[in-house]
Amino acid sequence: NAGVTQTPKFRILKIGQSMTLQCTQDMNHNYMYWYRQDPGMGLKLIYYSVGAGITDKGEVPNGYNVSRSTTEDFPLRLELAAPSQTSVYFCASSRRQGNPSGELFFGEGSRLTVL
Amino acid sequence: KQEVTQIPAALSVPEGENLVLNCSFTDSAIYNLQWFRQDPGKGLTSLLLIQSSQREQTSGRLNASLDKSSGRSTLYIAASQPGDSATYLCAVKEETSGSRLTFGEGTQLTVNP
Repeated sequence: NAGVTQTPKFRILKIGQSMTLQCTQDMNHNYMYWYRQDPGMGLKLIYYSVGAGITDKGEVPNGYNVSRSTTEDFPLRLELAAPSQTSVYFCASSRRQGNPSGELFFGEGSRLTVL
Repeated sequence: KQEVTQIPAALSVPEGENLVLNCSFTDSAIYNLQWFRQDPGKGLTSLLLIQSSQREQTSGRLNASLDKSSGRSTLYIAASQPGDSATYLCAVKEETSGSRLTFGEGTQLTVNP
């Protein structure tokens, strides 16, 4: 089973460039999330989605955008990259119902450096 | 605002020792609490999920407990092994936060052979 797949694994951007981090899951999960993790820090929620067509802001949404056109995919877009966006980005998913409900499954992360 | 704290930030133990990792949260109105393991340069792997109505969950050498009223959870690791070396994070899902989780900053565990 593939689970949650993120691409790319590594990327270097110049200040002001744009890019999209891709995330797809094959578990038919309703909920999907984007987190960022800075060195020595916990995970901060950027955006999340409770289903196709529905997205909402997390703790640190500024500088990012998301869309959820299908259940499987939840891309994260950086429009004007800034050095403060240098981080490791994790996509995650969970299902709304079932046993156990709410268990979170993570991708392996995308390491982004903005120079 | 929910805050999650993990103590200690780092822990080093000899192989074979039993150990306890602590997680505390400020708002007891949680839906569930989840413990994760993170290896260097890797994503997070779910270890145990405790629903708010449960007191503990066990998986192999791992046992997680939950005391909602005091805002605390512990992760007990029995007979630790060098392969247990990793960062352990806890996360709480609140009843009223939609589907968001709040993470602690993790405990970095090193088990020495």
